[in-house]
Amino acid sequence: AQTVTQSQPEMSVQEAETVTLSCTYDTSESDYYLFWYKQPPSRQMILVIRQEAYKQQNATENRFSVNFQKAAKSFSLKISDSQLGDAAMYFCALTNTGNQFYFGTGTSLTVIP
Amino acid sequence: GAGVSQSPSNKVTEKGKDVELRCDPISGHTALYWYRQSLGQGLEFLIYFQGNSAPDKSGLPSDRFSAERTGGSVSTLTIQRTQQEDSAVYLCASSSGPDTDTQYFGPGTRLTVL
Repeated sequence: AQTVTQSQPEMSVQEAETVTLSCTYDTSESDYYLFWYKQPPSRQMILVIRQEAYKQQNATENRFSVNFQKAAKSFSLKISDSQLGDAAMYFCALTNTGNQFYFGTGTSLTVIP
Repeated sequence: GAGVSQSPSNKVTEKGKDVELRCDPISGHTALYWYRQSLGQGLEFLIYFQGNSAPDKSGLPSDRFSAERTGGSVSTLTIQRTQQEDSAVYLCASSSGPDTDTQYFGPGTRLTVL
């Protein structure tokens, strides 16, 4: 069975500072994909970053980067130079077949001006 | 190009009534997913369509829930005899292929069952 765990229901960060959101997962597959999605109050889920498990290099997208620790089954998201527009729910997700995606329960991020 | 669209944006219904929720995926996307998001919860997988293959219905919570996808494009999620616990946001997503490609989400339909 695949599971995704986000242990931080809420996080806050000062504007322009850095914050790290945690995600751990469990899967018996060796090949899989991990995602971070952002859901602002508008409800529209937006892909933030994507990581293939076979790639050792951590994915980076502008101010967003991940720390992928395959052996520890950890996939944290780092947001640098936080902006007010980063305030949202952040979901970690896992898939190995593309048929089913497994989502964590989310972390609500508040950005303090 | 146009993204995934869903209609209606909000739906209020009375307990026991049937509802239909619609999803228009991105043109050319062969994979389509339905999820349910209850208040304060993550996304619960409901059903997955891939091309002309039989759908993966393993996430449907009861036989009151069904979905179809006509012509490999538009999908309708139907909930019969709605219950108050069906109240949630229903999200649709599509992706370009049968592999582990990125999903693109619609804005969701907020269903409220009174």
